[in-house]
Amino acid sequence: DSGVTQTPKHLITATGQRVTLRCSPRSGDLSVYWYQQSLDQGLQFLIQYYNGEERAKGNILERFSAQQFPDLHSELNLSSLELGDSALYFCASSVAPVQDVNTGELFFGEGSRLTVL
Amino acid sequence: DAKTTQPPSMDCAEGRAANLPCNHSTISGNEYVYWYRQIHSQGPQYIIHGLKNNETNEMASLIITEDRKSSTLILPHATLRDTAVYYCIVRGPNDYKLSFGAGTTVTVRA
Repeated sequence: DSGVTQTPKHLITATGQRVTLRCSPRSGDLSVYWYQQSLDQGLQFLIQYYNGEERAKGNILERFSAQQFPDLHSELNLSSLELGDSALYFCASSVAPVQDVNTGELFFGEGSRLTVL
Repeated sequence: DAKTTQPPSMDCAEGRAANLPCNHSTISGNEYVYWYRQIHSQGPQYIIHGLKNNETNEMASLIITEDRKSSTLILPHATLRDTAVYYCIVRGPNDYKLSFGAGTTVTVRA
């Protein structure tokens, strides 16, 4: 158990809909990262927040947005869903805005599996 | 823009050492080598990392060549539970993210 909690674990929805994925980081971790893993793309970095502020952006679509709240949990909002958005969405957390170079560790949750029909 | 090259797959016998190679010929002096693994759609799991020196922990050993252009992750006594995709990642101190490549699919056989 990494200490990172993601909900829901599974989600099935239709094209055009909107969903919200939630992530609770490990206690004390200030950084949250979102990754998308689809069958043909591998693990793709989407976005990172540190203590409520966006710090880095990857290949995140304009239809997707995220935020980190004062209690440090984060939400990833996916709208106007398309079939191609079906994927595993992972959240990870770490203490520092950059990975702690002394441990180099990101702690990943078990993911939210999104299926768009 | 992956900075590492790994073989796509390899097999290993249970109880034997598994040696996973990784090439990172363009690595910079301040960049670390990290290894993560992902067991069947679970969240990736940190294994080990290093800069110049060889490193060992309870999971594995990391051997980095003197020129730092390649490294080897060693699982000393592979078990069936070590079957996973193993990712070798190069990250510098200003990189805010881990960039995952395709990794090596390791299958441990009884």
